[in-house]
This record gives sequence, structure tokens and C-alpha cells, in this order.
Amino acid sequence: GNSVTQMEGPVTLSEEAFLTINCTYTATGYPSLFWYVQYPGEGLQLLLKATKADDKGSNKGFEATYRKETTSFHLEKGSVQVSDSAVYFCALQDRAGNMLTFGGGTRLMVKP
Amino acid sequence: DAEITQSPRHKITETGRQVTLACHQTWNHNNMFWYRQDLGHGLRLIHYSYGVQDTNKGEVSDGYSVSRSNTEDLPLTLESAASSQTSVYFCASSESGRSTDTQYFGPGTRLTVL
Repeated sequence: GNSVTQMEGPVTLSEEAFLTINCTYTATGYPSLFWYVQYPGEGLQLLLKATKADDKGSNKGFEATYRKETTSFHLEKGSVQVSDSAVYFCALQDRAGNMLTFGGGTRLMVKP
Repeated sequence: DAEITQSPRHKITETGRQVTLACHQTWNHNNMFWYRQDLGHGLRLIHYSYGVQDTNKGEVSDGYSVSRSNTEDLPLTLESAASSQTSVYFCASSESGRSTDTQYFGPGTRLTVL
């Protein structure tokens, strides 16, 4: 079956530090890949997505590249801000159905 | 603006009671989903629907049921609430069956079963 593995948190960084959150997946076929963000007390919001190999999704300074050869979709940001503190979820959506499979989530804490 | 809403936002109930969580979307989306979020498990799919009168079981469907009588609503019912069902519940919707479609999430319902 499908699965998503992402690094466990919490990840604690100082403001303006470089961020990487690792995500790898197992799926049949060619899924679409997503990063969602959950701010405290809120629902999930789409951060970025990529729908085919070598696509790069980007939004709000965050980037992730769909790497089919390593089955990965790592999230990066060059300079984090305190307002980026949240829980980040990697997810895949396969072509057989329209269902998301989520990783366990990574909590990011950014200190001033 | 189109949106997806959930009610109530917080609910406390007792073991054995029937509970219904509401989900309403104004996107006119065909697909609707219910997930539960628990520490260490991320989000897990409970039930989903691809359209009116269509319902399907997800990964963790035991003890839950849904019905889809119109496009806008997918209520989730806990037939006999158990403490193991204490969780945060999220409803989501998407336009169609394409794998590239984005799912849009509601704000969540925090359910406590005592």
C-alpha cells in the first residue's frame, strides 16, 4: 500500500536559518505529492504541490522537488521566520483514487 | 467566497452516546472526505464520498458512518461513542477524481469522549 515517511520533530531553528524537512514515499504508479501546513488551532492548508517527476512546487519561499529516483519530496526554505512555526505534513495522492495518504507531521518551532 | 465549515468546533460527550459531526462545503465539489488526527499518526481517512448517494470506507471506518444526500453535506456519525474516538476530526473536499486535485480542509472539530 501507499505510505509517507517524514522526519520526526520537533525541529527547532533560529530565525533566518535554513530549513529542510525530509519526506519519502512508497506508492504504485505516479502519485501527486503535497505539503500541507497546519498553524496552531487551525485546519490544514495546502502549501505546495507537484504532480509529476522533476516538478518543483513553491509557495511563500518554500520549495520541494518531486524526485522519482529517490522517491522523495523534501521541503526547504532558505530563511525561516517566527511566523513559519507550525506543523508540516507531507502527503501523496495516487492515481487510482482521490485519497490522500499523510505522513505523521513535523512540528517546526522558530525562535527569534 | 467558497468555503468548507464544520460544526460544532468542540464537543464533549459520554461513552455510548450517538454523536453527529457536520460538514458543509460551498465549493460544489463532488468529493468529500473525513479524517481523524491523532498524535503520532498524522491524518487517517475514515470515510469518503465521490458524489450524492455514494459512500466508501477508509482506513479507520469502524464505529463511524456517513451519508450523502446532497452535494454540500457529509455528516459523520459515531454510532456509540468510545474513548478511543477522542480526536480532532477534519472534513475535506475536492473537485473531482483527478489525482492532481487539491483537497481543501475545514477548521476541524475537537471531540472528547468521557
